[in-house]
Amino acid sequence: DGGITQSPKYLFRKEGQNVTLSCEQNLNHDAMYWYRQDPGQGLRLIYYSQIVNDFQKGDIAEGYSVSREKKESFPLTVTSAQKNPTAFYLCASSPRSDTQYFGPGTRLTVL
Amino acid sequence: QKEVEQNSGPLSVPEGAIASLNCTYSDRGSQSFFWYRQYSGKSPELIMSIYSNGDKEDGRFTAQLNKASQYVSLLIRDSQPSDSATYLCAVKTTSGNQFYFGTGTSLTVIP
Repeated sequence: DGGITQSPKYLFRKEGQNVTLSCEQNLNHDAMYWYRQDPGQGLRLIYYSQIVNDFQKGDIAEGYSVSREKKESFPLTVTSAQKNPTAFYLCASSPRSDTQYFGPGTRLTVL
Repeated sequence: QKEVEQNSGPLSVPEGAIASLNCTYSDRGSQSFFWYRQYSGKSPELIMSIYSNGDKEDGRFTAQLNKASQYVSLLIRDSQPSDSATYLCAVKTTSGNQFYFGTGTSLTVIP
């Protein structure tokens, strides 16, 4: 069953904690992306990776970190430096040249 | 100036009518254009992609692209209540491997 999976579906973070969101794909896509979506707003790019062991900052990378050790996996860590992390986080993947497909998302709430 | 702009709506149409959604973009060299549908609380799902000037039809959906005017639209014929969602326009730029999203247009189809 091919696709993009994200876990957990819901995540709660206490002040000062780092949390890691998982994103896995078995579509053999080269590129992977992390977006943040706030209510009533569009998707904002956090980080993206076009190839294993390489990634680039997006528009709102501050307070976030990523790794791309395997083609299938692109985890996102929300660090304590991210002051307003409550949002809907979306992972996407794309074949080399085109079209993004999204995972189901993780909803992060700060307690 | 935002990369991609959409009228946020809300747009309401009666069941069976044609819904027209519009999007403009700023990067004149953009080559790839996408429409996504996003139901409340869910992740975006790809409806259509379009790359060349003109119309592209897929079932009840028609995407229209005019690169000279930097304009892309989505028409939904015979609108159904199940079409009620937020529609996101996305553009892939030529400067890298990034996708830029509009803030979305909320569509309500009234039975």
